[in-house]
Amino acid sequence: AAGVIQSPRHLIKEKRETATLKCYPIPRHDTVYWYQQGPGQDPQFLISFYEKMQSDKGSIPDRFSAQQFSDYHSELNMSSLELGDSALYFCASSATGDQNTEAFFGQGTRLTVV
Amino acid sequence: DAKTTQPTSMDCAEGRAANLPCNHSTISGNEYVYWYRQIHSQGPQYIIHGLKNNETNEMASLIITEDRKSSTLILPHATLRDTAVYYCIPLPPFLSNTGKLIFGQGTTLQVKP
Repeated sequence: AAGVIQSPRHLIKEKRETATLKCYPIPRHDTVYWYQQGPGQDPQFLISFYEKMQSDKGSIPDRFSAQQFSDYHSELNMSSLELGDSALYFCASSATGDQNTEAFFGQGTRLTVV
Repeated sequence: DAKTTQPTSMDCAEGRAANLPCNHSTISGNEYVYWYRQIHSQGPQYIIHGLKNNETNEMASLIITEDRKSSTLILPHATLRDTAVYYCIPLPPFLSNTGKLIFGQGTTLQVKP
């Protein structure tokens, strides 16, 4: 079965550079979530989109932005990268309904800022 | 959002049942209890969820107390591949919530040979 695809799997950037992470949800899933997981930390919710509109926002820095496109894929744009942005970034997708359904996570993008 | 309390860590012998408890005494009447796990550095994986009835699927069973203040995830025959961090997460129905998951501390389950 198709899963959530994230690219790239690994990314190395220098301080003050920009990075773009991509997420391709499971077909027919209309909601995408982004999470950040620092070393030894639990995943932290950043932002979500439902039907291409931002639906919720968590602890996402102003330097980061995201969007969901017409084909439902999503991109997380990160500018002025800092050393503290080094983390695993997970994307998840779900199909909404009248009650919650489970979210499926991708394998993540490991971002290293040097 | 309901607060949860889980043991920091637990050990289990391979082949035995693993019982992972979670206290969620402030859970609201319409909040489901979801369980996810994260195997080292992989994306979190959905396991099971329930509202007030016990639930079972191919991965696990979920026992929710009658007052809904706590639940137990049961892995009936733990294997080494079940070694992971297990998260218990209350979640309101979609219409009251966007579906975001708030990951708390979780329980690190170590399955030993």
